[in-house]
Amino acid sequence: DAGVIQSPRHEVTEMGQEVTLRCKPISGHNSLFWYRQTMMRGLELLIYFNNNVPIDDSGMPEDRFSAKMPNASFSTLKIQPSEPRDSAVYFCASSPGLNNQPQHFGDGTRLSIL
Amino acid sequence: ILNVEQSPQSLHVQEGDSTNFTCSFPSSNFYALHWYRWETAKSPEALFVMTLNGDEKKKGRISATLNTKEGYSYLYIKGSQPEDSATYLCAAAGNAGNMLTFGGGTRLMVKP
Repeated sequence: DAGVIQSPRHEVTEMGQEVTLRCKPISGHNSLFWYRQTMMRGLELLIYFNNNVPIDDSGMPEDRFSAKMPNASFSTLKIQPSEPRDSAVYFCASSPGLNNQPQHFGDGTRLSIL
Repeated sequence: ILNVEQSPQSLHVQEGDSTNFTCSFPSSNFYALHWYRWETAKSPEALFVMTLNGDEKKKGRISATLNTKEGYSYLYIKGSQPEDSATYLCAAAGNAGNMLTFGGGTRLMVKP
């Protein structure tokens, strides 16, 4: 069974550009989570979806960040315009349920904004 | 967002030593407690999810306990091995629909 698949694995782009990160959750999992990992703040939950519906986006840092889940097998996290302080590793995770089930993490996207 | 704290921040032990670390969370508002193992350059891997006071879970040499009344969970590793070297994260949720809040992690280094 394939795990959570994220793309790209690495992204380097210039400040001001639009960045789109992609995630394919494990089939049958109905919850999907986007996290950001930085040295300063550790692992932060940005937003999560349940049955493709955004439940809580209070972790999204600002309006430059947006996330969508158009169907059960695909989600995107978009940053527009990107800034150097957005540089981090972004993880996507999925779970069969909400907080009483373990989350399965993808390998992450390492984002560098120059 | 809950206040989830882990201690110690880092720990060096010798191979064969047994060790434990702590995760604390608000006892007044609790739904579930997760433990994850995170090796460098990899992604977090789920170890346990616990929801009931007094829960004990075990996976090989690793076990965890949960005390929801006093707001803490312990993770134990028996006979540490170098391959146990990783950061161990706990995360807590206040109710079924709340976001999971992660602690800062305990970084374990096991010397051969």
